[in-house]
Amino acid sequence: GNSVTQMEGPVTLSEEAFLTINCTYTATGYPSLFWYVQYPGEGLQLLLKATKADDKGSNKGFEATYRKETTSFHLEKGSVQVSDSAVYFCALVKHNNNDMRFGAGTRLTVKP
Amino acid sequence: GAVVSQHPSWVICKSGTSVKIECRSLDFQATTMFWYRQFPKQSLMLMATSNEGSKATYEQGVEKDKFLINHASLTLSTLTVTSAHPEDSSFYICSATGTSGRIYGEQFFGPGTRLTVL
Repeated sequence: GNSVTQMEGPVTLSEEAFLTINCTYTATGYPSLFWYVQYPGEGLQLLLKATKADDKGSNKGFEATYRKETTSFHLEKGSVQVSDSAVYFCALVKHNNNDMRFGAGTRLTVKP
Repeated sequence: GAVVSQHPSWVICKSGTSVKIECRSLDFQATTMFWYRQFPKQSLMLMATSNEGSKATYEQGVEKDKFLINHASLTLSTLTVTSAHPEDSSFYICSATGTSGRIYGEQFFGPGTRLTVL
């Protein structure tokens, strides 16, 4: 079945550090891939997405590239801020299918 | 666009009572809505999928008689937790998807409802 595996946290970084959160997926066919962010006490917000191989999603300084050869969609940011502290979820959904699968979530804490 | 709201944002109730949570798509027609449950520091677990005008499809292990889902219109779905008990305390999140002008399968999430059962 379809599944997402993402790097376990928690991750603690200093402000302006480089961030990588790994995400790999298992799916038949060609799913769409997403990163969602959840701030404390809130629902999920879409951070970025990619729908086909080699697409790069980007938003607010975050980037992730859809790598079919490695079945990965790692999230990166060159310089994190305290306000980036949140839980990040990698997710996939297959085309023509509403069934979205989430990774376990990675909690990021950025310290000043 | 693509805004989903939930009401209430938080609710506290006594054990044995029923609680209704509303999920609304504010600016699009939601042909399908999803209900998730999230325990502290855990990922989202899909509870059920509902299509407008049809009975909801529940995931394995989710009691359909306890978690009543109604999706009577293209903009509203409700989740009723019947005879709530403390173990039902959780964060409930809905999402919605439409069929026009969006990447198929993208879900738009509500802000969540925190339920605490005393």
